[in-house]
Amino acid sequence: EVYLLESGGALVQPGGSLRLSCAASGFSFSSYAMSWVRQAPGKGLEWVSSFSATDGSTYHADSVKGRFTISRDKSKSTLYLQMDSLRGDDTAVYYCAKEVGSTVGYFDYWGQGTLVTVSS
Amino acid sequence: QSVLTQPPSVSGAPGQRVTISCTGSSSNIGAGYDVHWYQQLPGTAPKVLIYVNSRRPSGVPDRFSGSKSGTSASLAINGLQAEDEADYYCQSYDKSLSGWRVFGGGTKLTVL
Repeated sequence: EVYLLESGGALVQPGGSLRLSCAASGFSFSSYAMSWVRQAPGKGLEWVSSFSATDGSTYHADSVKGRFTISRDKSKSTLYLQMDSLRGDDTAVYYCAKEVGSTVGYFDYWGQGTLVTVSS
Repeated sequence: QSVLTQPPSVSGAPGQRVTISCTGSSSNIGAGYDVHWYQQLPGTAPKVLIYVNSRRPSGVPDRFSGSKSGTSASLAINGLQAEDEADYYCQSYDKSLSGWRVFGGGTKLTVL
């Protein structure tokens, strides 16, 4: 059974930093691309960042580029999202998702999400 | 404002058929990129409903179907049931965007 468990969400002040973690189990972590997707309160889904399994490339949405960094620790089967220079519009539930597919990937498993609130 | 446009809401009575559209452009769906659909029940994480335009994961009822044509895709739900009330999102790639991955704005389905 695939499990994705996010942690690290908290209340943080604007300009602050936070690191989210996603502990994965039940599949070969290093063989799949992994992503972060967020959902602001009452809003839709927004793709944030992805880590490629094939070559370790990372991708970030323009809204977070230069502020967020995705990484992974294969030995711990854990995905991370380092979030710096946080702003109010970063407030959201952050989901970790496993990605499959060779061309247009889709997210076949999701964690339960962790809430990040950016406010003074 | 997503590059994939969905109607904000649709509704239908139990037993009816509803469709949800996902309209894109030549840089995403029209470029031949596949479309996937997710269902998000209230207070829960999204779940994949349709992948690669029309394929259903195991466990998804055959009442749900997907199609793609030109620059648009559609999700159809036949025999609407109360438990289908949820938010639905399409997802694809857009070659003009950083990282390519993009979701539609989402559609709230209300079962009357």
